[in-house]
Amino acid sequence: DQQVKQNSPSLSVQEGRISILNCDYTNSMFDYFLWYKKYPAEGPTFLISISSIKDKNEDGRFTVFLNKSAKHLSLHIVPSQPGDSAVYFCAASAKGSTLGRLYFGRGTQLTVWP
Amino acid sequence: GAGVSQTPSNKVTEKGKYVELRCDPISGHTALYWYRQSLGQGPEFLIYFQGTGAADDSGLPNDRFFAVRPEGSVSTLKIQRTERGDSAVYLCASSHRLAGASGANVLTFGAGSRLTVL
Repeated sequence: DQQVKQNSPSLSVQEGRISILNCDYTNSMFDYFLWYKKYPAEGPTFLISISSIKDKNEDGRFTVFLNKSAKHLSLHIVPSQPGDSAVYFCAASAKGSTLGRLYFGRGTQLTVWP
Repeated sequence: GAGVSQTPSNKVTEKGKYVELRCDPISGHTALYWYRQSLGQGPEFLIYFQGTGAADDSGLPNDRFFAVRPEGSVSTLKIQRTERGDSAVYLCASSHRLAGASGANVLTFGAGSRLTVL
């Protein structure tokens, strides 16, 4: 069963606008959430993370929001740029689980058009 | 090396054949992971090494899959009697995090080995 869900397989946004990528999870033992970005023929690269005790983390144009009661998080990219076009994966690690064992969603393909 | 290196980048084989996929992690990273990404899915955990030993191999789908890391650096994922369902991108990742350290455990991934079983 999918413990991390990304229900939107794709998102298309105009350059300069905000991109909002959503992620839902089911496991209340998740203690950290991470976003990875993946370009074609490359491995996923780490973007930003958030602890389950926080509700917001910001790094430049990227902000992740966590709503623990709703088991929902979102990644905001402002302003969006064409170079942001990639597949974005939401991932989570569980307290007490194997170090580095991440549970990934299926990804959302973001396309930023000029 | 500067990043996680995986070879081959592409492997096409026939059903029933044996395959080895190699991973060279970032120098000094003691933790090494194998993940598998099937078409339309996110990466799924296979196995975790801390040093030379497999600390968690619970993600390996069956006994046709095996991985080694004899000297605590390079790792090889071995697949026996390949099946068409084994077709996927096999991702290796490494990390310098030690158990008990605080903060998110950020993994650095390689570009993957795309395996196609005909």
